[in-house]
Amino acid sequence: GENVEQHPSTLSVQEGDSAVIKCTYSDSASNYFPWYKQELGKGPQLIIDIRSNVGEKKDQRIAVTLNKTAKHFSLHITETQPEDSAVYFCAASIGSNYQLIWGAGTKLIIKP
Amino acid sequence: EAGVAQSPRYKIIEKRQSVAFWCNPISGHATLYWYQQILGQGPKLLIQFQNNGVVDDSQLPKDRFSAERLKGVDSTLKIQPAKLEDSAVYLCASSSGQISGNTIYFGEGSWLTVV
Repeated sequence: GENVEQHPSTLSVQEGDSAVIKCTYSDSASNYFPWYKQELGKGPQLIIDIRSNVGEKKDQRIAVTLNKTAKHFSLHITETQPEDSAVYFCAASIGSNYQLIWGAGTKLIIKP
Repeated sequence: EAGVAQSPRYKIIEKRQSVAFWCNPISGHATLYWYQQILGQGPKLLIQFQNNGVVDDSQLPKDRFSAERLKGVDSTLKIQPAKLEDSAVYLCASSSGQISGNTIYFGEGSWLTVV
């Protein structure tokens, strides 16, 4: 079946450094790729998304890049801060109902 | 704008007992989702409603799980009888429609522990 692979499962970076999380999807028809941040005890919250007709999108310290040919997309966080510590999930849309297939998540740890 | 509301936040039950979770989506959102999230994993879709109709329930264990959205607004998810492996967070989410790219908004989740 369709799936989304996400790497790494855990990422530890020094405060102020950049963090990159990568995802690979299998369905070439996928056309919407959101990234969600989940803090402990809370539901996932959308932080940025990208559609298949765009190669890159930025929002302040966060950016997402998409390579449709290779079927992978990445989340980039620059100038990381302690409040960036959380679990990040990527997802890709599939099917006529535009459901989301989710990656397994990346636990991002920002070291002070 | 109020977010997705869920209750109860936490529930502990014994195996073979039943439990029900309630969700009130964001006002005006036609699409409602129930996800199951096991610790350390991504959310897994259980059921998707469009208004009061079921769009997809292919991953809902129908021998023990049921869900309804009778008036096209709030929804309940029931588990009966519960098994140990049902211990998870049950996330309700909503979006304004089924069009690709409509943001899905999540509630805080209902944490279930089956002992």
